[in-house]
Amino acid sequence: GNSVTQMEGPVTLSEEAFLTINCTYTATGYPSLFWYVQYPGEGLQLLLKATKADDKGSNKGFEATYRKETTSFHLEKGSVQVSDSAVYFCALSEGGSARQLTFGSGTQLTVLP
Amino acid sequence: DTEVTQTPKHLVMGMTNKKSLKCEQHMGHRAMYWYKQKAKKPPELMFVYSYEKLSINESVPSRFSPECPNSSLLNLHLHALQPEDSALYLCASSQDYARTFGYGYTFGSGTRLTVV
Repeated sequence: GNSVTQMEGPVTLSEEAFLTINCTYTATGYPSLFWYVQYPGEGLQLLLKATKADDKGSNKGFEATYRKETTSFHLEKGSVQVSDSAVYFCALSEGGSARQLTFGSGTQLTVLP
Repeated sequence: DTEVTQTPKHLVMGMTNKKSLKCEQHMGHRAMYWYKQKAKKPPELMFVYSYEKLSINESVPSRFSPECPNSSLLNLHLHALQPEDSALYLCASSQDYARTFGYGYTFGSGTRLTVV
């Protein structure tokens, strides 16, 4: 079956530091890949997505590139802000019987001023 | 309108109570979902409705009863819950269950449920 593996958290950074959250996946076919963000006390928001190999998703300064050869979709941001403190979930979905989202375990990010 | 609205935001109920969670979307999405999320964990899928018909029930106990009255509304009826059912309940929608893979889901803010 499909699975998503994220780096263990929590991650604590100072403001303006560079962020990488690693995500690798296992899928039988050609999944779409997503990053969701969950701010404290809220639901999940779609941060960015990529639907095919070598696609780069980007939003709010965050980027992730769909790497089929390494089955990875790492999240990066060049300069984090305190307001980026949240839990980040990597997820995938495929067509057919695996249409629903498969989530990684989540990575808690805390950015200190 | 690009939102999924969930009510109530917080709910405290006793183990003998009956309550309902409500979810509404006006994006014309034809697939709707209920998820359960425990603290510091990813969401777990409970139910999928596609074109107002129950498509997937992930072996959820019968004390949780979903209902989809129309294409915009999704309810979750709760009865005789246990303290371990306390969690954040998230509703989500997508354009079409068959085409979820390219689009992702839109999530509501959730209902924080506490069973006492």
